[in-house]
Amino acid sequence: GESVGLHLPTLSVQEGDNSIINCAYSNSASDYFIWYKQESGKGPQFIIDIRSNMDKRQGQRVTVLLNKTVKHLSLQIAATQPGDSAVYFCAEKNSGYSTLTFGKGTMLLVSP
Amino acid sequence: KAGVTQTPRYLIKTRGQQVTLSCSPISGHRSVSWYQQTPGQGLQFLFEYFSETQRNKGNFPGRFSGRQFSNSRSEMNVSTLELGDSALYLCASSSAPENEKLFFGSGTQLSVL
Repeated sequence: GESVGLHLPTLSVQEGDNSIINCAYSNSASDYFIWYKQESGKGPQFIIDIRSNMDKRQGQRVTVLLNKTVKHLSLQIAATQPGDSAVYFCAEKNSGYSTLTFGKGTMLLVSP
Repeated sequence: KAGVTQTPRYLIKTRGQQVTLSCSPISGHRSVSWYQQTPGQGLQFLFEYFSETQRNKGNFPGRFSGRQFSNSRSEMNVSTLELGDSALYLCASSSAPENEKLFFGSGTQLSVL
């Protein structure tokens, strides 16, 4: 079936920089998208989600952008901190009782 | 409110054995999903239960099975273990019937020798 993928497997930034993690999806029927952060030894932790009727959603230091035309999702982290170092996953699902399909993940490394 | 609890945290088994993993969802959550996480394949969906019924199933062999109890707690079982079953098994619960916004436990790390 169709799946979600990521452009960059590893992203290295300096503390204080803004980070952008990208995700491409291929299922045009997807109407819900979500980002997770996974630190070593822990399960994925919810960051932010967005529905297909929105283009942008903001949280605390994070923003998710959705471009349905090119089927692209991005997570922006403002003023990146060393504690943001983790693997970030995007996931998508169709409407109804379907399940989340995860991308492969991007590792974010933040240097002090 | 307690998060999703998975037990045990670590397991070491040998080929051919079977294993049972347990998951207690967040109180009030009726949907429980299981995922297998490996470095090469990422998070792969196993199955999802809602109100004791398996609602969705991933593309895994029949050696992988699960169930959900009336209190929403869930177990998954893997029989006739293979080396390739070594992985982090993650359980997640959701309060939404549409199975969005999953909350994950820390997982059970299974090593098959």
